[in-house]
Amino acid sequence: GEQVEQRPPHLSVREGDSAIIICTYTDSATAYFSWYKQEAGAGLQLLMSVLSNVDRKEEQGLTVLLNKKDKRLSLNLTAAHPGDSAVYFCAVIASSGSWQLIFGSGTQLTVMP
Amino acid sequence: ETAVFQTPNYHVTQVGNEVSFNCKQTLGHDTMYWYKQDSKKLLKIMFSYNNKQLIVNETVPRRFSPQSSDKAHLNLRIKSVEPEDSAVYLCASSLGLGGRSYEQYFGPGTRLTVL
Repeated sequence: GEQVEQRPPHLSVREGDSAIIICTYTDSATAYFSWYKQEAGAGLQLLMSVLSNVDRKEEQGLTVLLNKKDKRLSLNLTAAHPGDSAVYFCAVIASSGSWQLIFGSGTQLTVMP
Repeated sequence: ETAVFQTPNYHVTQVGNEVSFNCKQTLGHDTMYWYKQDSKKLLKIMFSYNNKQLIVNETVPRRFSPQSSDKAHLNLRIKSVEPEDSAVYLCASSLGLGGRSYEQYFGPGTRLTVL
């Protein structure tokens, strides 16, 4: 079945810097890709999602890149600020499977003032 | 704006007790889910319901059972809790399957501690 690896597990950046989180997946039939943010003690907030026919999507300081050849999904936070500090998860759905959302292991992002 | 509601926020209980967690969504979605998030933040699907039909049932212990009265509600019952059940239980909903229907929206979670 689909396997998703996420890195790095921890990431510290200074305010105003960029932060990049990467996920790799194994199933070439993966159809849906998403990123979630989880603040301390809270649920998951959907940040962005793309289908497999999209290579790049930008919204409000976030950029999602999808490289289907390398089976790699990335999230780039440009000009990070302390409010971006949280755990970030990628999550994908493989159309060849049971249509379940498979999560990466999470990245703890800390943005220092 | 919260559209997936969970109660309680926290629950502390002893081994062997029965617990029940509630989830309600006001998004008009057809599919609801329960996830377990362990102490390392790893997320695993437990159940999903579509139009009151169980469509995915992962290999969770039999003491866990989902309960749905209508498509806006999906509760989770644990018949006799074990220490390894200590976790955060997250409820989510989605429109259905396909296209934008994949997007899942999560509630704030219920943190269970089993003593």
